[in-house]
Amino acid sequence: QVQLQESGPGLVKPSETLSLTCTVSGGSIDNYYWTWIRQPPGKGLEWIAYMYYTGSTNSNPSLKSRVTISIDTSKNQFSLKLTSVTAADTAVYYCARGNIGGLLTPWGQGTLVTVSS
Amino acid sequence: QSALTQPRSVSGSPGQSVTISCTGTSSDVGGYNFVSWYQQHPGKAPKLMIYDVTKRPSGVPDHFSGSKSGNTASLTISGLQAEDEADYYCCSYAGSYTLVFGGGTKLTVL
Repeated sequence: QVQLQESGPGLVKPSETLSLTCTVSGGSIDNYYWTWIRQPPGKGLEWIAYMYYTGSTNSNPSLKSRVTISIDTSKNQFSLKLTSVTAADTAVYYCARGNIGGLLTPWGQGTLVTVSS
Repeated sequence: QSALTQPRSVSGSPGQSVTISCTGTSSDVGGYNFVSWYQQHPGKAPKLMIYDVTKRPSGVPDHFSGSKSGNTASLTISGLQAEDEADYYCCSYAGSYTLVFGGGTKLTVL
């Protein structure tokens, strides 16, 4: 069965770039929308962006100018970069497989990224 | 793109039914049959419970059901069980290849 695993630094300094990778195992990265979602401590879920396996992407309008999402089909991985981070970007970041309408499953276990100097 | 509106909390006794609402607009919930619901236990990743408004993935108990009327979607949990106590989030397609989540509802089983 398909499993997803996030990886990346747990601590990022303000104004720097947050970089995370999601590795997909147990299945192909083809034919789905590969999605990033985040959850600030004690708060709700926020959709960040998704990328279709062909490379087309879209992101949350509130984050669009700072978000880059990419995919490496040869490694079965997709990645997130969020620039100019502030404390407000501190959150658990999840990756998930989905379709255009959501249908997000499965999810990775999530990784906490703290923005602090 | 505003978050969908959910009640902050709901509660019910074992065996009872509860309904969690998710209110959006004609640009999201009301405009598409792409509403999904997620269950999240503390410290865990969310789990898909309902997709495309009413469909239940394999393995999700049949006492979970979804519906929609106008701009409001609903998740009904009948025959409440202790293990249903969790946070629940709705999510809708919002057009132009975007998704939007609700603020989340904490379900307490009394």
